[in-house]
Amino acid sequence: GNSVTQMEGPVTLSEEAFLTINCTYTATGYPSLFWYVQYPGEGLQLLLKATKADDKGSNKGFEATYRKETTSFHLEKGSVQVSDSAVYFCALSDPQGTGGFKTIFGAGTRLFVKA
Amino acid sequence: DSGVTQTPKHLITATGQRVTLRCSPRSGDLSVYWYQQSLDQGLQFLIHYYNGEERAKGNILERFSAQQFPDLHSELNLSSLELGDSALYFCASSVETGSTQYFGPGTRLTVL
Repeated sequence: GNSVTQMEGPVTLSEEAFLTINCTYTATGYPSLFWYVQYPGEGLQLLLKATKADDKGSNKGFEATYRKETTSFHLEKGSVQVSDSAVYFCALSDPQGTGGFKTIFGAGTRLFVKA
Repeated sequence: DSGVTQTPKHLITATGQRVTLRCSPRSGDLSVYWYQQSLDQGLQFLIHYYNGEERAKGNILERFSAQQFPDLHSELNLSSLELGDSALYFCASSVETGSTQYFGPGTRLTVL
């Protein structure tokens, strides 16, 4: 079945460092891909998404490109801030024949940014 | 604030009991999704409803059931509770199936 694998954390960086969180997926067909962020004590928020190959999603300085040839959707940010400390989830949307959607999440990567 | 509300925020109960979790989607959203987040299993999709009809099912146990009412709010019923059911339960809503999902703050269930 479809699955998402993302790098294990925690990832600890200093402020202004470059961030990469790797995400690869296994899917039949052409799923949409997402990055969600979860701040402590809160629900998930959509960070960015891409719906087809070579699309680049971007938001708040974060970017990810849908790479079909490597089945990847790595998250990057050029300069992280302390406020970016959170758990990041890579996910894919798996359409069902019934018109429904299943969202499959990776295990999550916790990011700590030190001042 | 995503506009999705969930009640209660916290629930503590005993093994063998039954509980109901409630979700009110954002105004105008027709789809509701339920997820379970636990330390050992991560974030798992449970079920998707669209305008009152079940549309997709994930790893939802037979002891769990859900429904979406005509006013579009949804309830997740968990019965014969076990210690392993302790988790955060999120609901999310979207305008259409497959469009951006907005997550509620979650209900933390503790089974003692």
